[in-house]
Amino acid sequence: ELKVEQNPLFLSMQEEKNYTIYCNYSTTSDRLYWYRQDPGKSLESLFVLLSNGAVKQEGRLMASLDTKARLSTLHITAAVHDLSATYFCAVAVFQGAQKLVFGQGTRLTINP
Amino acid sequence: SQTIHQWPATLVQPVGSPLSLECTVEGTSNPNLYWYRQAAGRGLQLLFYSVGIGQISSEVPQNLSASRPQDRQFILSSKKLLLSDSGFYLCAWSAVPRSYGYTFGSGTRLTVV
Repeated sequence: ELKVEQNPLFLSMQEEKNYTIYCNYSTTSDRLYWYRQDPGKSLESLFVLLSNGAVKQEGRLMASLDTKARLSTLHITAAVHDLSATYFCAVAVFQGAQKLVFGQGTRLTINP
Repeated sequence: SQTIHQWPATLVQPVGSPLSLECTVEGTSNPNLYWYRQAAGRGLQLLFYSVGIGQISSEVPQNLSASRPQDRQFILSSKKLLLSDSGFYLCAWSAVPRSYGYTFGSGTRLTVV
């Protein structure tokens, strides 16, 4: 059974600081996703990582994937308050259909 | 472009009452459809998925059922709600055969009282 673990689960940081969220998964997969969820809202797709060594960047967020280590990271550079949200990683498994197994989520709070 | 609609947005139901949540997708054919539940402050749990009309796969035993009466319609139901059914229900679709993730609907917040 595929397990996906994120850490930390809660992160409170100050603006302009850098930090990294880690996503470990237990079995081989060829794609990993990062989503953002604002309070009371649905999930918004951030990144799709499809191969070992893949790196994607959008603004102050950068995601990377190491399939050998079964590890993805979401790096936040010079955080701003607007990035406060819960971030989920999800790993794809194909069993009849593509199913996403989600991590527990990291609740990120950025304080002015 | 493809869009996904989910309703209602909010629902408060008494224990023992029935439930019907609906999800429809526009702008695509034969999508894979999914129902996820998110308990308060928790991650997402896959409840059901469907690869075609009338084809439903259940991921976990529970008090809920799903149906797909039309290609782009996915319905989540219960005959008698339990308190533990409370949560945020999200419908999602993906293209076939393989795609780059899901697109989620706006969600239904269900409170069973």
